[in-house]
Amino acid sequence: NAGVTQTPKFRVLKTGQSMTLLCAQDMNHEYMYWYRQDPGMGLRLIHYSVGEGTTAKGEVPDGYNVSRLKKQNFLLGLESAAPSQTSVYFCASSYAGFNPTGELFFGEGSRLTVL
Amino acid sequence: GDSVTQMEGPVTLSEEAFLTINCTYTATGYPSLFWYVQYPGEGLQLLLKATKADDKGSNKGFEATYRKETTSFHLEKGSVQVSDSAVYFCASSGGSYIPTFGRGTSLIVHP
Repeated sequence: NAGVTQTPKFRVLKTGQSMTLLCAQDMNHEYMYWYRQDPGMGLRLIHYSVGEGTTAKGEVPDGYNVSRLKKQNFLLGLESAAPSQTSVYFCASSYAGFNPTGELFFGEGSRLTVL
Repeated sequence: GDSVTQMEGPVTLSEEAFLTINCTYTATGYPSLFWYVQYPGEGLQLLLKATKADDKGSNKGFEATYRKETTSFHLEKGSVQVSDSAVYFCASSGGSYIPTFGRGTSLIVHP
């Protein structure tokens, strides 16, 4: 079982460049999330999706866009990268059907450096 | 809104010592509670969970009991190993299924 897969694992960008992080899950989960993790800040929710074609803002959405065109994929885009977006990004998914517990399944992370 | 507060780290212990990492939550209703573990260079993975009051979650020698009266879900292990060195996150998840995470507690276990 692949679970939640993130690509790429590592990326270095220059300020102003754009890029897209891809998250794919094979568990048929309804909910998907993008978090960023910074030292001393824990996990902060960027955007999330409760189903195909829907997205919503989380705690720190500025500078990011997302799309969920297919249920299994959740894309995170940076249109004009800034050094403040240097972080480790985690995608997660969860089951929202009958009797869900709210458990999240995480990808391995994508380390992004913006110079 | 909902919140989760866990003790700040790092927590530094010698091998075979007893571990407690405190976690308290505020939430409307009765959320599910979780402990996730993040080993160096990896994503978070579920360590244990409890879905209702007085439930005890357990896994790999770790335990936590859902205490509604004290709104707590403290993580304990009787004898830690070097391989337990990691960051531990407490989390709650209520009806919205947007979980709330604590800031994480780093555990360092020395031989």
